[in-house]
Amino acid sequence: DTEVTQTPKHLVMGMTNKKSLKCEQHMGHRAMYWYKQKAKKPPELMFVYSYEKLSINESVPSRFSPECPNSSLLNLHLHALQPEDSALYLCASSSPGQGNTEAFFGQGTRLTVV
Amino acid sequence: KQEVTQIPAALSVPEGENLVLNCSFTDSAIYNLQWFRQDPGKGLTSLLLIQSSQREQTSGRLNASLDKSSGRSTLYIAASQPGDSATYLCAPRDYTGNQFYFGTGTSLTVIP
Repeated sequence: DTEVTQTPKHLVMGMTNKKSLKCEQHMGHRAMYWYKQKAKKPPELMFVYSYEKLSINESVPSRFSPECPNSSLLNLHLHALQPEDSALYLCASSSPGQGNTEAFFGQGTRLTVV
Repeated sequence: KQEVTQIPAALSVPEGENLVLNCSFTDSAIYNLQWFRQDPGKGLTSLLLIQSSQREQTSGRLNASLDKSSGRSTLYIAASQPGDSATYLCAPRDYTGNQFYFGTGTSLTVIP
């Protein structure tokens, strides 16, 4: 099973709302990632968790708050977003460090901020 | 920070043609490189992973090569089909194995 599951598939939220994106994998991967993708652009790295600890934060605004409650789950908490934050948010997982680090992606959450 | 460029940005070919997609990266200290395809509005599907110690990796009609010292990788697609139409992305992983950055992508259209 090489599946990464993201929920919800679509999300519309107002600028004052609080919402969360969820990502789940059961491949035993201990590295999980959040990427943001705007239309016709490549994915941009936001956060990396390694062994449930935040290892990389690509200078993402604090209105995005990641959380890794266990080795299978990754959340992205959203608060006071701006319309320019509308994008496809992608989650990925892989083994961290050396070895077979093939990464697998979920189908993404299409976020619209109104 | 790793800069990754893919050429061409877009490609339109008739069905049955063999084609080559190019990926170049600025920092040759990579651990491996992965090729993905992305259908419009969808997630990424892994195609091939090529380790830094390898020169080539093959899967079906796909063949990826890697020249780490010159910072280049190519993806060769044989006998292209309309179902191959998608955006293709390369992603070199840094030497720590902890993060990977995407290239600018090649949008491929295979015409029946």
